[in-house]
Amino acid sequence: AQTVTQSQPEMSVQEAETVTLSCTYDTSESDYYLFWYKQPPSRQMILVIRQEAYKQQNATENRFSVNFQKAAKSFSLKISDSQLGDAAMYFCAYRSAGYGNKLVFGAGTILRVKS
Amino acid sequence: DTEVTQTPKHLVMGMTNKKSLKCEQHMGHRAMYWYKQKAKKPPELMFVYSYEKLSINESVPSRFSPECPNSSLLNLHLHALQPEDSALYLCASSQDLRSSGSRETQYFGPGTRLLVL
Repeated sequence: AQTVTQSQPEMSVQEAETVTLSCTYDTSESDYYLFWYKQPPSRQMILVIRQEAYKQQNATENRFSVNFQKAAKSFSLKISDSQLGDAAMYFCAYRSAGYGNKLVFGAGTILRVKS
Repeated sequence: DTEVTQTPKHLVMGMTNKKSLKCEQHMGHRAMYWYKQKAKKPPELMFVYSYEKLSINESVPSRFSPECPNSSLLNLHLHALQPEDSALYLCASSQDLRSSGSRETQYFGPGTRLLVL
């Protein structure tokens, strides 16, 4: 079974600075998808970024980018120019390719942004 | 538009009550999900519907009863719940259960915060 590990329970970053959240996963499959979801204190889970395993190019969405290292099974999220609104719980998630496969979530990382 | 709506936002119920949670999406998605989330924990999958048919039931107790009346609506009927069922209940949808393009990407609603007394 696949597992997702987020080794940082909490992280802090100063406003306007850059922070990287770590995620590693364990799988024997070659085709899969990886996601970062953000859940602010209002508790709505929001998709931040998505990466297909077959794509070598790292996904980016405005201030959010990933460092996807397939061989190392690592999928870190970099947040540039951190803003107060980035404060949230961040979940890394994995989904196998194919029909009906479930999302496997990591334990989450709480990100605090200091002004 | 990637909006999934859920009602009510908050619900307090006694252990003998019957209540229902409602989820709606108008993105044309054909897969819908119920998750349960405890504080500071990741969501746990409960049920998956695909084309209005129950596709996955993660061995959820029968006091939780899902229903998918049409492709846009998903309900979760609650009866005789226990205090340990208090949690945030999240609904999500995806285009369908296949994985190509971005079909597999799930979009979440804001959740219903349930308290069982």
